[in-house]
Amino acid sequence: DTEVTQTPKHLVMGMTNKKSLKCEQHMGHRAMYWYKQKAKKPPELMFVYSYEKLSINESVPSRFSPECPNSSLLNLHLHALQPEDSALYLCASSQDSWTGGLNEQFFGPGTRLTVL
Amino acid sequence: GIQVEQSPPDLILQEGANSTLRCNFSDSVNNLQWFHQNPWGQLINLFYIPSGTKQNGRLSATTVATERYSLLYISSSQTTDSGVYFCAVEDYGQNFVFGPGTRLSVLP
Repeated sequence: DTEVTQTPKHLVMGMTNKKSLKCEQHMGHRAMYWYKQKAKKPPELMFVYSYEKLSINESVPSRFSPECPNSSLLNLHLHALQPEDSALYLCASSQDSWTGGLNEQFFGPGTRLTVL
Repeated sequence: GIQVEQSPPDLILQEGANSTLRCNFSDSVNNLQWFHQNPWGQLINLFYIPSGTKQNGRLSATTVATERYSLLYISSSQTTDSGVYFCAVEDYGQNFVFGPGTRLSVLP
């Protein structure tokens, strides 16, 4: 099973709302990632969790708050977003490069977020 | 940080034609993958290829790590091959960087 699932598929929120994006994988991967993708642009790395610890935060504003409750789950909590945060948010997982082995990333289908 | 370039940025082909997409990267990498992004945004894994050559049906890929480039070959293209092709590399610090992509349109 090489599936990464994400919920919801679509989300519309106001600038004062609080919402969460969820991501799940059951491949036994120990690294999980959040990416943001604007229209006609490549995905940009936001956060990396390795063994449930935040290992990379690419200078993302604090209105985005990641959480990794266990090795299979990854959340992205959203609060006080701006319209320019509207984008496709992609989750991915991989074995973990620190092990020195195969570190192929697998992506979920994404959550299309619109901030009004 | 590591820089990734892809060429060409856009490509229009007639069904049945062959094509070569290129990915150049600026530093040594731990990992290189090719993806196809479909119109719904799903990133589909094509190849995990930090070095060497692999083939999968009509697609094949070659990475020459010492010269810092990778090539994706598409033969006998079909309309379903349309979409954006991304090369993504991982440096030795778990940092994944995507190239800008090649937008492919295959016409019937």
